[in-house]
Amino acid sequence: QKEVEQDPGPLSVPEGAIVSLNCTYSNSAFQYFMWYRQYSRKGPELLMYTYSSGNKEDGRFTAQVDKSSKYISLFIRDSQPSDSATYLCAMSGWQGGSEKLVFGKGMKLTVNP
Amino acid sequence: DAGVTQSPTHLIKTRGQQVTLRCSPKSGHDTVSWYQQALGQGPQFIFQYYEEEERQRGNFPDRFSGHQFPNYSSELNVNALLLGDSALYLCASSLTEGAKNIQYFGAGTRLSVL
Repeated sequence: QKEVEQDPGPLSVPEGAIVSLNCTYSNSAFQYFMWYRQYSRKGPELLMYTYSSGNKEDGRFTAQVDKSSKYISLFIRDSQPSDSATYLCAMSGWQGGSEKLVFGKGMKLTVNP
Repeated sequence: DAGVTQSPTHLIKTRGQQVTLRCSPKSGHDTVSWYQQALGQGPQFIFQYYEEEERQRGNFPDRFSGHQFPNYSSELNVNALLLGDSALYLCASSLTEGAKNIQYFGAGTRLSVL
């Protein structure tokens, strides 16, 4: 089992739709949970991060972490064509005396006007 | 406040050659990590530098080496290039704070090996 699993999609939705992106993980040492957005041929851009379980909201974006289920989500409300990108989840924690950061494979999202 | 900067943006090399990629971290950051991203895949961790030393290393051969300078900038060197080394190379910087490892990425260097 991989440490971080993310459905690679692709996912195509109409403009204005609510989008739900998810990742599961197996390593209980993970404490910080991040979402990155990556446009084609560009570097990943940090959207938001959360610590431990709970929700965090930033404008149209909401990140949720459920540590008991080892499941994280990113919700995008009122999706826009400019949201079309690949979304990567990432997780970090302290294990074996060093920090560890692991990425999902990324989910490609297309928002159609 | 400048973010993470990488140079060059694009590079074309032939098999067997050597390449050096450069990275300047975000202001205030002391840690630099390098990743290789193949098309359609997530970033794969190469190594991380902190206090001018390699602190962690992913599953990459010794042909991949690096360096961190006193001003926290970093270089990635790849020797004896293979066709399979063609990828987007990403540099990410962070501030070492225990388990908190929030990394900020540069735009990347796209390496093509012919």
